[in-house]
Amino acid sequence: AQKITQTQPGMFVQEKEAVTLDCTYDTSDQSYGLFWYKQPSSGEMIFLIYQGSYDEQNATEGRYSLNFQKARKSANLVISASQLGDSAMYFCAMREPDSGGSNYKLTFGKGTLLTVNP
Amino acid sequence: GAGVSQSPSNKVTEKGKDVELRCDPISGHTALYWYRQSLGQGLEFLIYFQGNSAPDKSGLPSDRFSAERTGGSVSTLTIQRTQQEDSAVYLCASSRDRLRSGNTIYFGEGSWLTVV
Repeated sequence: AQKITQTQPGMFVQEKEAVTLDCTYDTSDQSYGLFWYKQPSSGEMIFLIYQGSYDEQNATEGRYSLNFQKARKSANLVISASQLGDSAMYFCAMREPDSGGSNYKLTFGKGTLLTVNP
Repeated sequence: GAGVSQSPSNKVTEKGKDVELRCDPISGHTALYWYRQSLGQGLEFLIYFQGNSAPDKSGLPSDRFSAERTGGSVSTLTIQRTQQEDSAVYLCASSRDRLRSGNTIYFGEGSWLTVV
């Protein structure tokens, strides 16, 4: 079974500073995908960024970048220039590998609550 | 609207009653998913629909849970004889196709269910 670990239950960052949210995963497969989602207090899950296991470059989307270290099985999210509106829960997720026939399922970590202080 | 639409947004029901939760996916998305999020937890896969294929129901926690998708679009998740442990946020999502191609899965705002 796939497993996603987010070791930081909560993180604090000052506005305008960068913050890294950790995510490690466990899989024996070579083909997989990694996602990060943001969940504000309103409850919606907002897609932030995607990294394919075969992508050679780290994914970036605006202020979000994914520090993908395949050998370490880590996919940390980096948020640059934090804003007050970034305060939310952040979930790392992995889709199941292609080989298993269930490559539509996402396995989620337990999340990290990020608080941006003014 | 352009996003995944869910209703009701909030539902309080008495233990033992049945509830229906509705999801309207993004137009043109063939894949539809239901996830459950209990308090302080990550998301738990419930069920997956893809086009006309048989759904993957492997995540449904008991036979009190069922879901259908009519006409390849709108889906309804039904919980019969609700129990207090069913209290959670039920999130629906859709994607253009299978995730293998890297397609993004988009979530709705969820249906908050409270069983009293």
